[in-house]
Amino acid sequence: GIQVEQSPPDLILQEGANSTLRCNFSDSVNNLQWFHQNPWGQLINLFYIPSGTKQNGRLSATTVATERYSLLYISSSQTTDSGVYFCAVNTNAGKSTFGDGTTLTVKP
Amino acid sequence: AAGVIQSPRHLIKEKRETATLKCYPIPRHDTVYWYQQGPGQDPQFLISFYEKMQSDKGSIPDRFSAQQFSDYHSELNMSSLELGDSALYFCASSSTIQGADIQYFGAGTRLSVL
Repeated sequence: GIQVEQSPPDLILQEGANSTLRCNFSDSVNNLQWFHQNPWGQLINLFYIPSGTKQNGRLSATTVATERYSLLYISSSQTTDSGVYFCAVNTNAGKSTFGDGTTLTVKP
Repeated sequence: AAGVIQSPRHLIKEKRETATLKCYPIPRHDTVYWYQQGPGQDPQFLISFYEKMQSDKGSIPDRFSAQQFSDYHSELNMSSLELGDSALYFCASSSTIQGADIQYFGAGTRLSVL
């Protein structure tokens, strides 16, 4: 099946710093979603981005489908941004395959 | 807007007991997915239903079964529970009619097996 790799696995930032999270995938995909899992375990959908660039406030994402990667940018990070960020892709099969996640810790 | 509803939010069971998790998809969504997330792991696909028929199956133990009912809600039944079944269980729904293959996740059910 499709392989999804996220990097870095862990990231520690000072409040106000910027960061870039990366997601590589091994095959063509129909869909790519970025999620933030908060400390209570909820998966919050950040972006649906099979290709192109999107922005939502301090967050933006870019997917280059032809090169099979996606980037999530977090600017002016806040302590509430802490948590695990997952990239999930699906192919024609429909089910989502998740990467291992990036654990982000933002220190005040 | 209505979201995916899962119940219960938390469940504590003893080994060898049974558990039933429920999922109510977003109205007019035709596909439901179940995922299992163990501690420190990423969510793993278990099973999916399209229009009340099983559409795909992942790493779901034989002790688990699931179905989707006429009102589109789905239930995941887990028998002979083991300590390793302790996990966060997510349900997601999507709509093939809307064209975009976006999966919307519920808040999850946290199952603890003691």
